[in-house]
Amino acid sequence: DAKTTQPNSMESNEEEPVHLPCNHSTISGTDYIHWYRQLPSQGPEYVIHGLTSNVNNRMASLAIAEDRKSSTLILHRATLRDAAVYYCIPIFYNQGGKLIFGQGTELSVKP
Amino acid sequence: DVKVTQSSRYLVKRTGEKVFLECVQDMDHENMFWYRQDPGLGLRLIYFSYDVKMKEKGDIPEGYSVSREKKERFSLILESASTNQTSMYLCASSLQGAWPNYGYTFGSGTRLTVV
Repeated sequence: DAKTTQPNSMESNEEEPVHLPCNHSTISGTDYIHWYRQLPSQGPEYVIHGLTSNVNNRMASLAIAEDRKSSTLILHRATLRDAAVYYCIPIFYNQGGKLIFGQGTELSVKP
Repeated sequence: DVKVTQSSRYLVKRTGEKVFLECVQDMDHENMFWYRQDPGLGLRLIYFSYDVKMKEKGDIPEGYSVSREKKERFSLILESASTNQTSMYLCASSLQGAWPNYGYTFGSGTRLTVV
């Protein structure tokens, strides 16, 4: 199985942008990159996904490196509600659709 | 919005009991998944299903079985509950046709305590 590397924890101030990095150096050309987050006492929540190009949605932006070996989830203005564990998950084509979770990054947001 | 509903938020069962955890999704998704989440171990895949009556083992299937008789419902069964199955159980679903260019939707979880 391929490995992802994320910081264990990060801190942010409310109203400031947050850049959450992820390394996925063994990803191949057909593997999508998904991001999920899990708020305390809740199930994971889909945030965003992409393949090659940068992606934006109402929750966040996803910047994918040109070589696709890393990506960065961008929260443009962190709120207290964004405090959660963020998981970067490559979806490997040869793993038949399974989401394999790593340890993720615990983001804390200070008022 | 897609909804994945898990029948119970909290459940307490006795050792040796047969336990059913139910999950229902309302968006006609083909793929459904069961995970468990434990402190320090993260989310681990127990079983998944690509279609009615189909099932595949995940990473930790021992002590569990599943049933998928209807497309919208995926049940996780603990044949004889043990204390080491005390955990948070999470169900998820996904659309197969658009996979992997589609997000997965999770339920809120069932916190099971086996005493």
